[in-house]
Amino acid sequence: DAGVIQSPRHEVTEMGQEVTLRCKPISGHNSLFWYRQTMMRGLELLIYFNNNVPIDDSGMPEDRFSAKMPNASFSTLKIQPSEPRDSAVYFCASSLGSGGYTQYFGPGTRLTVL
Amino acid sequence: SQQGEEDPQALSIQEGENATMNCSYKTSINNLQWYRQNSGRGLVHLILIRSNEREKHSGRLRVTLDTSKKSSSLLITASRAADTASYFCATDASAGNNRKLIWGLGTSLAVNP
Repeated sequence: DAGVIQSPRHEVTEMGQEVTLRCKPISGHNSLFWYRQTMMRGLELLIYFNNNVPIDDSGMPEDRFSAKMPNASFSTLKIQPSEPRDSAVYFCASSLGSGGYTQYFGPGTRLTVL
Repeated sequence: SQQGEEDPQALSIQEGENATMNCSYKTSINNLQWYRQNSGRGLVHLILIRSNEREKHSGRLRVTLDTSKKSSSLLITASRAADTASYFCATDASAGNNRKLIWGLGTSLAVNP
C-alpha cells in the first residue's frame, strides 16, 4: 500500500486566496483525520470522519475552514479566504477506526500564506 | 485540549546512551500510544499499550504505563543518531460516540554522534 497520500506537499499563496488540500487515505480505513501542526500550538485535530461522515469538527478554527469526504478514498480541506495565521503543516491521517486505533499519517502539506 | 504532557520538552544525549521520555495525562484512558516524527515528515506509530498492561517492548523501545499515577514512559536503549526526532504520546480516552486521540506537545530528542 502507498500509505496516506497528500497533495500538494507545499503550497504558497497570498492572503485572501482559496486553498484546497487533498488526502487519499489507506484503502480499507474507515476513519480519516485532519490535523494542523504549528510550533506554538503543537498538533491540533481539526476534524475527523467515520465512514465518510463528519463526527467532530470542534477543532475547525472558524467558518473559513471546511472539509469534505465525498467517498471513502478522498477528502479535502478548504480554507477560504486564507490568512497568514493559517500558515502551518496540515496532516491527514487514517485508521481502521476512531478512538484507540493506530493512526497512519501522510507526509503533510506545508502551507505558507503571505 | 491537550491531555498528554511530555517531559522533558527537549533532550540531548550521546549515541549509545539511553533516552527516557515521560507522558502524563489527566483522565482515565483505554490505551496510550507513542509516535515518532522526523523533521519534515508525518508521525509514525511506535507502540500501543493498553490500560490493563504495565509494560511493553518493541526492539529497543520499552514503554511502561502507571494508571494510578496517570503516566507513561518511553525508554529508547542504545540510542542512535537516527533516533533524533520528536516523540509524542497520544491517549485514547474515548467515551460514547466521540472517539479520538488526544495528543501531547512532544519531546524533541537529539542524539549526538
